[in-house]
This record gives sequence, C-alpha cells and structure tokens, in this order.
Amino acid sequence: DGGITQSPKYLFRKEGQNVTLSCEQNLNHDAMYWYRQDPGQGLRLIYYSQIVNDFQKGDIAEGYSVSREKKESFPLTVTSAQKNPTAFYLCASSPRGPSYNSPLHFGNGTRLTVT
Amino acid sequence: AQTVTQSQPEMSVQEAETVTLSCTYDTSESDYYLFWYKQPPSRQMILVIRQEAYKQQNATENRFSVNFQKAAKSFSLKISDSQLGDAAMYFCAYRSFSGGYNKLIFGAGTRLAVHP
Repeated sequence: DGGITQSPKYLFRKEGQNVTLSCEQNLNHDAMYWYRQDPGQGLRLIYYSQIVNDFQKGDIAEGYSVSREKKESFPLTVTSAQKNPTAFYLCASSPRGPSYNSPLHFGNGTRLTVT
Repeated sequence: AQTVTQSQPEMSVQEAETVTLSCTYDTSESDYYLFWYKQPPSRQMILVIRQEAYKQQNATENRFSVNFQKAAKSFSLKISDSQLGDAAMYFCAYRSFSGGYNKLIFGAGTRLAVHP
C-alpha cells in the first residue's frame, strides 16, 4: 500500500546536536511538507518542496534545514540553532499542481525530545 | 495572511448524540478550500471532510457534515450519532493557493471526548 513513512517514531538528542528526521513516500507525489506540532498551537509549516531539488521556507524555518534530492525523500535536519526543538514533527505529501482538491497525506510523525 | 481560529479547546459529547465543532478563518481570497482533519491518539492525521469555497452546498461524509458560511467565514463540523472512535483532536485547515503552491494553515485544534 502507498503511504508516507517517518522514522524513527521517537528520537532523543542532547542539546547542541543536529538531528535528521526521515520522511519517505511511495505515493508518487511531487510535493512534500514538514509540519511541527506543539500543544495548543496546531500544526505549523516548517518547509515544503514542490519538486525535486527545490524547496521553500514555511512559517517557522529558522533552525531547520531540508534537502530534496529524490522525489521519494524529504529529510528534515533540526540544527542546534533551533531554540525549542522538542516537538512532534509531521511529514506530508500531495500531488503537485494547481488542484485545490487534493488533500495532504500525512505520515505517523516523529516525536523529538532534546534534553 | 490567512488565519484559522478554533475557539473550543475541548468539547465532550455523549455516545449517539450530536456535537458541533466551531472554526472561523480570515482571508482576502475568494477561492480556497477548507478541511477538517482528525488526529486520534495514534497521532495519524486523517482527512474527515473538505469544502470548496465556490460551492454553496455544504459537504457531507456519512455522519460528518459541515455548515459553511462564506460571508461569515465560518466552517463548523457537525458529528451525528457520535461514536467512541470519534474521540480525537480535530483540526480545521484552510488551503491557500497564494504564490502558486498549496499550503495548509491549521487551527489550534479541538479535543473531543466521547462518553459512553
């Protein structure tokens, strides 16, 4: 079955270390997204990519970096510059193009804890 | 910039009863989509229902329906015959197409409890 795989489910890091969250999809979607979820704040967009080798900053990109070398993969690196990295991170994808109708498909998320 | 507001942090309903979750949004766009997503304890985001702004008819999906008031910028979700499996966080989302890309803007969510 097609879907989005995020790994690992739980991730623990020491403060000051960079950490990379994995996101892989086999839906043949062109567009991929990273969202951050904090209690009481809903989901906020970190980065998105509409096509391979292209990505754009979202609303809260500071302290994060991404790459899009393959259509299937969109890894997110949480750098030491991110002041409050502990959060739940969700990856999503959708078909590219002007269609408003296609919903986002989400992975199961990664819970990152930095101490 | 577009914003989405869910004014009810928590709601509860008895099994088999009906509950309505509120959502308002702010936008200057005339064409857009609205969505309700459900996030159960597994934290998987599940699409519940979607509404095209140019359609006056309210969307329905089985026990889920919306009351879309475009002029008032209101998009509430009604769950009929509530079931224990409906217990979850519910997020209202607005899809903007400004700048040539799809972008979902989420509200803060409403946590729904269903009591037997």
